[in-house]
Amino acid sequence: GAGVSQTPSNKVTEKGKYVELRCDPISGHTALYWYRQSLGQGPEFLIYFQGTGAADDSGLPNDRFFAVRPEGSVSTLKIQRTERGDSAVYLCASSLWARETQYFGPGTRLLVL
Amino acid sequence: AQKVTQAQTEISVVEKEDVTLDCVYETRDTTYYLFWYKQPPSGELVFLIRRNSFDEQNEISGRYSWNFQKSTSSFNFTITASQVVDSAVYFCALSEGLGETSGSRLTFGEGTQLTVNP
Repeated sequence: GAGVSQTPSNKVTEKGKYVELRCDPISGHTALYWYRQSLGQGPEFLIYFQGTGAADDSGLPNDRFFAVRPEGSVSTLKIQRTERGDSAVYLCASSLWARETQYFGPGTRLLVL
Repeated sequence: AQKVTQAQTEISVVEKEDVTLDCVYETRDTTYYLFWYKQPPSGELVFLIRRNSFDEQNEISGRYSWNFQKSTSSFNFTITASQVVDSAVYFCALSEGLGETSGSRLTFGEGTQLTVNP
């Protein structure tokens, strides 16, 4: 079956702009996760959804970051007033249930100029 | 707080050599999971193995093998007879198993860049 998909694959924006990153999890997976990976680093946890609700958003760096999953499937990560420090690869993962193996998408590479 | 350390930043070997990637973790929980992921140049993280804290049996899958030792908090990964296609960044990760929410985030190490030369 299809894996996790993410769009766009690349996004270039200007400082101060708003961006939305989309994640389509594996069909039937109830848990969805967002991570951020800076160059040369391991991924860092941002937020975890179980169904439609954000079960753990403790990794979001500040209130400019927000994510939704309104129907328990597709999720959107939203970043307001982007800063150059937000430049990174944003990874989405899904798992059948919480604490099961997470399968990752190809990521969205965000560049803030 | 949980932590994963991959002390080897880069490793370079010649094809057909065996190579071991080290992973040391810290956690205060008795129930947890350990993972290895591969990140080839294309960038997508590929799942390799998941191990729970109650299962210390070593595992072998083809040319890959994993050595889990709770006594030293290590979960090392060995590639036997390495091939050029094994070149990638390898990440070790930890998730704690307590609670409905806290058991799901993965804490990753910094990764080890493995280069296999022909």
